[in-house]
Amino acid sequence: GQQLNQSPQSMFIQEGEDVSMNCTSSSIFNTWLWYKQDPGEGPVLLIALYKAGELTSNGRLTAQFGITRKDSFLNISASIPSDVGIYFCAGLIAGNNRKLIWGLGTSLAVNP
Amino acid sequence: DGGITQSPKYLFRKEGQNVTLSCEQNLNHDAMYWYRQDPGQGLRLIYYSQIVNDFQKGDIAEGYSVSREKKESFPLTVTSAQKNPTAFYLCASIRAGGDYGYTFGSGTRLTVV
Repeated sequence: GQQLNQSPQSMFIQEGEDVSMNCTSSSIFNTWLWYKQDPGEGPVLLIALYKAGELTSNGRLTAQFGITRKDSFLNISASIPSDVGIYFCAGLIAGNNRKLIWGLGTSLAVNP
Repeated sequence: DGGITQSPKYLFRKEGQNVTLSCEQNLNHDAMYWYRQDPGQGLRLIYYSQIVNDFQKGDIAEGYSVSREKKESFPLTVTSAQKNPTAFYLCASIRAGGDYGYTFGSGTRLTVV
């Protein structure tokens, strides 16, 4: 199946540092979503983006829907230990039976 | 509170046995999805259902079966034909016309012993 190109694959940072990750695709999306998955749990929606160029924040998280509609990024500011987990991007293509296209995830480790 | 309940959380199966994973939602969502997650491979779609009594194969449907007799329920059967069933299985749902992303259950970890 189709997948998004998500990078980096993993990150190991110090507490307090900022984090940036992104997803790109050759296809145009009309919705971009960012999820976080804690170990042994299901993914939880962090931010949803619906318009090209849209910039949305959720606390220390900020995400943007790329102008070309083929990419998105997620920033985490001032990381804390509970930010540890796997972050997934997902995109929704119009007329695709609401099936999401997923990235492979960015694994984030935070050193206290 | 509304949500999706997957049960059991951990499941052990002997080789050659079929096993059914439960997924129930009280969100009044129309569409439901089953994913398989293996380390480093992200989420892969097994089956999905847009409405009751209808479902479609995803990318890795071989060795799996589903039913959708009720809007709230979308059980997944892992059959003996699935060659490598040990994985983390996730169920998700979304409401009709919703662009707000899927709501996920907490997953079932299946181990073949």
